[in-house]
Amino acid sequence: KNQVEQSPQSLIILEGKNCTLQCNYTVSPFSNLRWYKQDTGRGPVSLTIMTFSENTKSNGRYTATLDADTKQSSLHITASQLSDSASYICVVRLAQGGNKLVFGAGTILRVKS
Amino acid sequence: NAGVTQTPKFQVLKTGQSMTLQCAQDMNHEYMSWYRQDPGMGLRLIHYSVGAGITDQGEVPNGYNVSRSTTEDFPLRLLSAAPSQTSVYFCASSSGGGEGTEAFFGQGTRLTVV
Repeated sequence: KNQVEQSPQSLIILEGKNCTLQCNYTVSPFSNLRWYKQDTGRGPVSLTIMTFSENTKSNGRYTATLDADTKQSSLHITASQLSDSASYICVVRLAQGGNKLVFGAGTILRVKS
Repeated sequence: NAGVTQTPKFQVLKTGQSMTLQCAQDMNHEYMSWYRQDPGMGLRLIHYSVGAGITDQGEVPNGYNVSRSTTEDFPLRLLSAAPSQTSVYFCASSSGGGEGTEAFFGQGTRLTVV
């Protein structure tokens, strides 16, 4: 069964600290892996997209890594800000027609001052 | 360029009522999808469309209908609302099936069925 598991479910960190969110997937056939940020009451917004051949991609203070052999990904947030408080969702795209996406349940991050 | 627009943002229905959730995109995207988001779960695909006139079922299609008469619009119809359909609904669009294709989401419709 195609699944995406994320950990931790929730996380609280102090402003300025770094954190790493984890994603494990069993999706096959794999096309690419995405990380989305979802603010409360809003739709998900893309942070990064990584294909099978990419093992790291950055977007400002966000750095995603991908290990296609172990089917694991991580999202590292550097020097966290209050505005980073959101749900971070790992999504894997199936390599088949229809642009089908399999979503993780998300990690809720709260950054405190 | 508004992106993906969903209406309404909030809705309360009584069990058995029907309604249509609207979704429109102005990016000329071929692919459009409807998802529902429930607490503690990832977004689940309800229905999707790969172009005008073409729709298909996703993971959880029961109780919902869709149509795609134009590229821009992809309405989701609840035929007879049930409390189990209480959820947040998201519409998404993308330009095609390419590997790096970006998916853009609307802001969501929060539906409560009482």
